[in-house]
Amino acid sequence: GAVVSQHPSWVICKSGTSVKIECRSLDFQATTMFWYRQFPKQSLMLMATSNEGSKATYEQGVEKDKFLINHASLTLSTLTVTSAHPEDSSFYICSSGQESSYEQYFGPGTRLTVT
Amino acid sequence: GQQVMQIPQYQHVQEGEDFTTYCNSSTTLSNIQWYKQRPGGHPVFLIQLVKSGEVKKQKRLTFQFGEAKKNSSLHITATQTTDVGTYFCAGNTNAGKSTFGDGTTLTVKP
Repeated sequence: GAVVSQHPSWVICKSGTSVKIECRSLDFQATTMFWYRQFPKQSLMLMATSNEGSKATYEQGVEKDKFLINHASLTLSTLTVTSAHPEDSSFYICSSGQESSYEQYFGPGTRLTVT
Repeated sequence: GQQVMQIPQYQHVQEGEDFTTYCNSSTTLSNIQWYKQRPGGHPVFLIQLVKSGEVKKQKRLTFQFGEAKKNSSLHITATQTTDVGTYFCAGNTNAGKSTFGDGTTLTVKP
């Protein structure tokens, strides 16, 4: 299967600061990447679909000005949590897949803690 | 919107017992995937089902897709401690994005 990396794996930041999370597809070109949020012992909540070279598509209820997504190349998508607050603390996971398939390959996730 | 429900939420079994998790969609699906997430890890793709009534096997795991393409199941025969984790189904319509079930967390007592 495809390999997706994510960086950093964990980050602690102070309330009000911004945090950038990188998601890279290592062995294939990803025109589409997905960003999920997962609370402890809960399912994956799709936040947005990141499209290379165009604006991301956000799910209902997700603030696009707070969760900035940039997909500047076929191998890199970034999620920036702006003006982070403690309620933004969560496990953020990106995924990607190859065209013509719904299979998703997930990055290892980033655990964000906002103090 | 599309909803995908998964039951049970938790399942505790003795090693060697069988385990089944069920996934039900409110709408007809074009395909469905199953993922496994180990504690502290990230979801890992297991399999994709596309055809109505499809059955696929991976060693002790058997995956089924319902005739109406609205439900699916994952059955594990003779569970082992390495099977622990949360199993998610993800249903897709032709809209191109996945809706994940809430997952079934399996614990196995040695």
